[in-house]
Amino acid sequence: NAGVTQTPKFRVLKTGQSMTLLCAQDMNHEYMYWYRQDPGMGLRLIHYSVGEGTTAKGEVPDGYNVSRLKKQNFLLGLESAAPSQTSVYFCASSYRVLAGVETQYFGPGTRLLVL
Amino acid sequence: QKEVEQDPGPLSVPEGAIVSLNCTYSNSAFQYFMWYRQYSRKGPELLMYTYSSGNKEDGRFTAQVDKSSKYISLFIRDSQPSDSATYLCALDLEYGNKLVFGAGTILRVKS
Repeated sequence: NAGVTQTPKFRVLKTGQSMTLLCAQDMNHEYMYWYRQDPGMGLRLIHYSVGEGTTAKGEVPDGYNVSRLKKQNFLLGLESAAPSQTSVYFCASSYRVLAGVETQYFGPGTRLLVL
Repeated sequence: QKEVEQDPGPLSVPEGAIVSLNCTYSNSAFQYFMWYRQYSRKGPELLMYTYSSGNKEDGRFTAQVDKSSKYISLFIRDSQPSDSATYLCALDLEYGNKLVFGAGTILRVKS
């Protein structure tokens, strides 16, 4: 049981290049999330998905697109990278809950540097 | 004004000290309050959660919520070097599926 995995671990891009970050989970979770973490800003939600084939915008969605074609995978795309997208990106997943708190399980992160 | 404010630290304490970590928030509609721990170059992991006002204890950790003051705390007793990490508070309006995080406080416990 690997939990949440992210690919790649580290990447350097030039301004204007595109890339896709892959998140995979083997816990059969309904919900998946993409966050970015910047110094002094904490974790900010980019996009999330409440099930296969569905996506929704979070707090900072501009410049990113996502897809959830399979329940276990959640892809984050940068079509034209900008230096402001230099960050550490975390994927997370959780069960759907009707009440109470359900743990979000995080991946190890992808460090992205845009020059 | 951010929805959730958290002092980034770093907070440096000697081994065995009692640590107090805090967050304040502005939206009185938040219902669920969580603390995540994040070791260097790792993803966050859930440490504790509480619902509504009051205290919750788990071993050396106590989470406290004061909804009237919009203030939450995490206390660590008998702190250990292995507690050195960044601690993030996270709040949610509904069911823990869409969290608002504080910026995180860096804690360093010196042996």
